[in-house]
This record gives sequence, C-alpha cells and structure tokens, in this order.
Amino acid sequence: EIVLTQSPGTLSLSPGERATLSCRASQSVSSSYLAWYQQKPGQAPRLLIYGASSRATGIPDRFSGSGSGTDFTLTISRLEPEDFAVYYCQQYGSSQTFGQGTKVEIK
Amino acid sequence: QVQLVQSGAEVKKPGSSVKVSCKASGGTFSSYAISWVRQAPGQGLEWMGGIIPIFGTANYAQKFQGRVTITADESTSTAYMELSSLRSEDTAVYYCARDHGLVVVVAALYYYYGMDVWGQGTTVTVSS
Repeated sequence: EIVLTQSPGTLSLSPGERATLSCRASQSVSSSYLAWYQQKPGQAPRLLIYGASSRATGIPDRFSGSGSGTDFTLTISRLEPEDFAVYYCQQYGSSQTFGQGTKVEIK
Repeated sequence: QVQLVQSGAEVKKPGSSVKVSCKASGGTFSSYAISWVRQAPGQGLEWMGGIIPIFGTANYAQKFQGRVTITADESTSTAYMELSSLRSEDTAVYYCARDHGLVVVVAALYYYYGMDVWGQGTTVTVSS
C-alpha cells in the first residue's frame, strides 16, 4: 500500500499569504495519479486538483498542483478567507489511499 | 448535474452489519467509478473500496477485505456498501463519491481522474 505523508500538519497563515502544502509518497505514484481535496467542517470533501496538476471544474486559478514520482505540492497563491480548511492528498495509481491532511488555519 | 443522495443515519450494535445506499441522479451512472470513503470523528479520510458499475467488479482496501461488500444496481442507479462485524471503531461518516474518469469498455479499462461528486455522508454509530 502506498502511504502518503503530508506536511506540515498545520499551517498558520494570514489572508493574502501564499500556502505551500507537501505530500510525499512511500513509493512512486504511477502516471501522476494524485489528487488534492479541500474539506471544511461538516462538509464533504471537494476535488481541487487531479492528475497532480489539473484543476477541477470551477476551481480558482490561485490553486495549483505540481510534482511527480514521490513528491507533490499544492500551492495556494494568495489565501482567501474561504480557503482556510483541511487539505488532503490522495493517490489512485495503486489502489487508493489518502494522506492524513494539512490544516490551514488563520494566523 | 450529477447528485449522489445517501441513505440516512444508522445506529448499530457491535457484531452486526450495516448497508448504506447511494443513489445517483442527473447523469450517467454506469460509466463512472463509485468509491466509498469514511471519516471517523476528528480523523482523516479513509478509502474503503469502489466499483465501476458497467464492469460490475469491486475492489477493496486491504484493511477492509472480507468485511466490506460494494455493489451497484444499474437499473436504479444506486450503489451500496455493506460493512459487517461492526465494532466501535467503525463509528464514522461514510461517503460515496463518483470519480470523473474515463471508461474504455472494449478494452475493459478505466482511467481514474479523482472524485468530483460526493454524497452528503451517512453517519454510522456503533454502540452497545
């Protein structure tokens, strides 16, 4: 099973700042089958990025994904108030697994 | 616009089983993979398994092998997840989610693209 490790566990930032979230896989993720999700309290997750770097429908361009192999990054270029949430990476190249999440909180 | 509507909350005794349904409306059901993901209170997301209705075969996370059964009824556009031998650690919100991938029927292939439509979640509480 591919284990995904996200860092940091919590990111404390102010609106307008740049957020950089990391997702590291225990083995190479084939074909960049990696996605990022946003989850707010009491809500289902929302797909942001798939294929490591493709934005899902309706996702603002301040969200971007990059990486390949075992190292992936989600970048939020300028945090908006609605972006404070928990973010999960997920690989779907070998079965499917999620990372443990990164909480982006208001500083 | 595809919507997934799940069945209501359940309270179960340890050792029993639970079956949660997920009905799709507003779009094509058979050609997209449906996954089941759970989230224990205050915890992260955990993929349990999934099915591609047009192919009919399910695959499961190793952790749940032998305890979970995922099925799909194309005639009613409904997917089901049954979890048996329930224990307190199974208390969680259970989500179904549709992957917006690409199916190639003639080659029996499916290309995953990530889960873009989610059900509202079903709370399952396991308590004696």
